[in-house]
Amino acid sequence: GAVVSQHPSWVICKSGTSVKIECRSLDFQATTMFWYRQFPKQSLMLMATSNEGSKATYEQGVEKDKFLINHASLTLSTLTVTSAHPEDSSFYICSASTARKNEKLFFGSGTQLSVL
Amino acid sequence: AQTVTQSQPEMSVQEAETVTLSCTYDTSESNYYLFWYKQPPSRQMILVIRQEAYKQQNATENRFSVNFQKAAKSFSLKISDSQLGDTAMYFCAFMTAQGGSEKLVFGKGTKLTVNP
Repeated sequence: GAVVSQHPSWVICKSGTSVKIECRSLDFQATTMFWYRQFPKQSLMLMATSNEGSKATYEQGVEKDKFLINHASLTLSTLTVTSAHPEDSSFYICSASTARKNEKLFFGSGTQLSVL
Repeated sequence: AQTVTQSQPEMSVQEAETVTLSCTYDTSESNYYLFWYKQPPSRQMILVIRQEAYKQQNATENRFSVNFQKAAKSFSLKISDSQLGDTAMYFCAFMTAQGGSEKLVFGKGTKLTVNP
């Protein structure tokens, strides 16, 4: 089956630094990728929708200047958390889909970000 | 906006028995998709089952089946012959069929524990 690779699986950084998380579709072309955030014992909250070759669409309340999303190719989307603060500590998950609507969505394995 | 409600924060079941997880949703759309995702301790999101709203027949996947009541906006998951590996968080999710959006709206989840 299709695989979505997310890297790194965990990262610890100092407050004020930036962290980049990668999401790759390994055996299919992902026209759309989604970035979710999950706090401990809570559900997944959509942060933004990333379309290849165009600007990402952010959900209400998500700071686009803080969470930079780039989808430069059909197999790679990146989320950069800029000037990270402890409150940005969370589990970030990406998902990817093909061009055919409602084909199975494939999720990455997630990235645990801890900001000290 | 669509909402998904899972009223059971936690449930437990004995191994080999059957358990049903509840999910209700709110939408004004007539066509949409519903999903159940499993998130084990590894935190990898795993699709359990998918239902298309225009299909009256309830979806089944081996030991997993749903009871889809469109008029009542209810979408419960039944797990038969529960196994220890079924222990996980279960999320109910909604996806619109309109336009090109494939973003998922998740419920808050139900933590299922299968006891030996």
